[in-house]
Amino acid sequence: RKEVEQDPGPFNVPEGATVAFNCTYSNSASQSFFWYRQDCRKEPKLLMSVYSSGNEDGRFTAQLNRASQYISLLIRDSKLSDSATYLCVVKTGRRALTFGSGTRLQVQP
Amino acid sequence: EPEVTQTPSHQVTQMGQEVILRCVPISNHLYFYWYRQILGQKVEFLVSFYNNEISEKSEIFDDQFSVERPDGSNFTLKIRSTKLEDSAMYFCASTREEETQYFGPGTRLLVL
Repeated sequence: RKEVEQDPGPFNVPEGATVAFNCTYSNSASQSFFWYRQDCRKEPKLLMSVYSSGNEDGRFTAQLNRASQYISLLIRDSKLSDSATYLCVVKTGRRALTFGSGTRLQVQP
Repeated sequence: EPEVTQTPSHQVTQMGQEVILRCVPISNHLYFYWYRQILGQKVEFLVSFYNNEISEKSEIFDDQFSVERPDGSNFTLKIRSTKLEDSAMYFCASTREEETQYFGPGTRLLVL
């Protein structure tokens, strides 16, 4: 089983749509969770950390379900500029980041 | 806003040659990392560095790889004898505490 698993997509959505991405992780000892965004041939950039209580940052909402080892990201009112690959990232203890393969989003006019 | 910087942005080398990739982490950060991303694949951890020593490394980080912090600002990754499969984007990252890691723009390495 992959350590961090994501649907690769692509998700093709019209502007203004709401889109949700899911991710599962295999190590129950994982302690920190993140969504990063990666544009084509660029570095990963932190979108938001994910907390057990769920958290929101503008149009973005992240949820964590520790029992199911499941993380989600919801994007409301999609913009063209949201087109990117969204990386689910997990950190276990003091260890380095473990990345999923990413979910590609294409927002269309 | 402070940024992680990396040089060069692109490097082309012949198989068997040594390459050194350079990174300048954010100035008050204490933990430094190298990751790589082969084209079309996921980002993979190589090594982490803290207090002038390697704190963790992956199975990818074999004897061909080494890291160094030669002065107070630079953090380097050396590949002693490059192989075709070393072709990838190499990202440096840093963090002050063991939380959010900030990534540099990467060095694209092509081994011919």
